[in-house]
Amino acid sequence: AQTVTQSQPEMSVQEAETVTLSCTYDTSESNYYLFWYKQPPSRQMILVIRQEAYKQQNATENRFSVNFQKAAKSFSLKISDSQLGDTAMYFCAFSQAGGTSYGKLTFGQGTILTVHP
Amino acid sequence: NAGVMQNPRHLVRRRGQEARLRCSPMKGHSHVYWYRQLPEEGLKFMVYLQKENIIDESGMPKERFSAEFPKEGPSILRIQQVVRGDSAAYFCASSDRGPYSPLHFGNGTRLTVT
Repeated sequence: AQTVTQSQPEMSVQEAETVTLSCTYDTSESNYYLFWYKQPPSRQMILVIRQEAYKQQNATENRFSVNFQKAAKSFSLKISDSQLGDTAMYFCAFSQAGGTSYGKLTFGQGTILTVHP
Repeated sequence: NAGVMQNPRHLVRRRGQEARLRCSPMKGHSHVYWYRQLPEEGLKFMVYLQKENIIDESGMPKERFSAEFPKEGPSILRIQQVVRGDSAAYFCASSDRGPYSPLHFGNGTRLTVT
């Protein structure tokens, strides 16, 4: 079974600064997907970024980028130029590749990020 | 193009009653997933359905919980004889091509059992 661990229950950052959220995972699979989801107070789950394990290049989406270390099973999220709207709970998630497993996500416990003006 | 619609947004039930949660996937999506989020926790997978078929129900409690996704109409998550421990937010997500397609989540239904 896969596990996802987010060791930072809460983080805070000043507006316009950079913050990094940590995530580690455990799996015996060689091919899989990793995700970061954002959950603002509205409760909706919003996909921030996705990484495919077989791709060595780190994924980026505008101000969001990841540092994917496959050997260390680490998948951190960097948010640059933080904005007040980035305040939310952030979840790291894992899914196996192939077959019917893709949408069956295993989530971490979440990190509450607060951006201060 | 409307997103994934879940209703009701909030549902209050007394212990022993039935709860029915509805999920209308995005237009053109035939794959539906249900997740449960207990307070202060991440989401946990419950069940994966395609039209008229349950593909993976490995996360569903063995008793009182059932799910369906009929040919016409929304997907339904049904909880019979609710208990206080069922209080949680229940999320539905949908995708169009199944494997490798992005999941689109609804806003969830918050179930409170009194």
